[in-house]
Amino acid sequence: DTAVSQTPKYLVTQMGNDKSIKCEQNLGHDTMYWYKQDSKKFLKIMFSYNNKELIINETVPNRFSPKSPDKAHLNLHINSLELGDSAVYFCASRTAPTDTQYFGPGTRLTVL
Amino acid sequence: AQSVSQHNHHVILSEAASLELGCNYSYGGTVNLFWYVQYPGQHLQLLLKYFSGDPLVKGIKGFEAEFIKSKFSFNLRKPSVQWSDTAEYFCAVLIYNQGGKLIFGQGTELSVKP
Repeated sequence: DTAVSQTPKYLVTQMGNDKSIKCEQNLGHDTMYWYKQDSKKFLKIMFSYNNKELIINETVPNRFSPKSPDKAHLNLHINSLELGDSAVYFCASRTAPTDTQYFGPGTRLTVL
Repeated sequence: AQSVSQHNHHVILSEAASLELGCNYSYGGTVNLFWYVQYPGQHLQLLLKYFSGDPLVKGIKGFEAEFIKSKFSFNLRKPSVQWSDTAEYFCAVLIYNQGGKLIFGQGTELSVKP
């Protein structure tokens, strides 16, 4: 009964490819997030959706496109992958605006 | 711009030593404060949080943190660390009027020698 799940766990791909990462939460939360953790372990928010509506978009290249088919799912699609996109991507969710965020297990993306 | 600063990049301790990890943030408005832990190869887990009330908060695994508003600080402490505490520790600040955006510090790697 995983609360926040992500697939795949590992993703290795070539530069220029397009890939997607999926996230699902079964906590009944209204808001979901994508964070990027770089090679130095620094975590930075990328996007947030509340009830399928985009509420945070943090100067992320438009090659990254989040999609929320319903409030339990937030997927991340990345076009034309670049070496610098290599990172661990974490999905998170929360209920109230100021409440605790619960993180998924992460997806390690490696671009060759 | 808002930021979170963790004082130590890498801390090495022996088992049973006491731990204090510093965290300062720069924002004058209302915030919620968190410490998350990331064990090797795992996802972030909540250690403890401060929303309001008693500025001394207790978390899991014997950790505690003290919010000092005048110093914009939220330092993490544990009186006696164990080898199993080896992990990366992240301080994070949630800004109320920015959609619940969490701003993370750069993380502190804790290595505990058995």
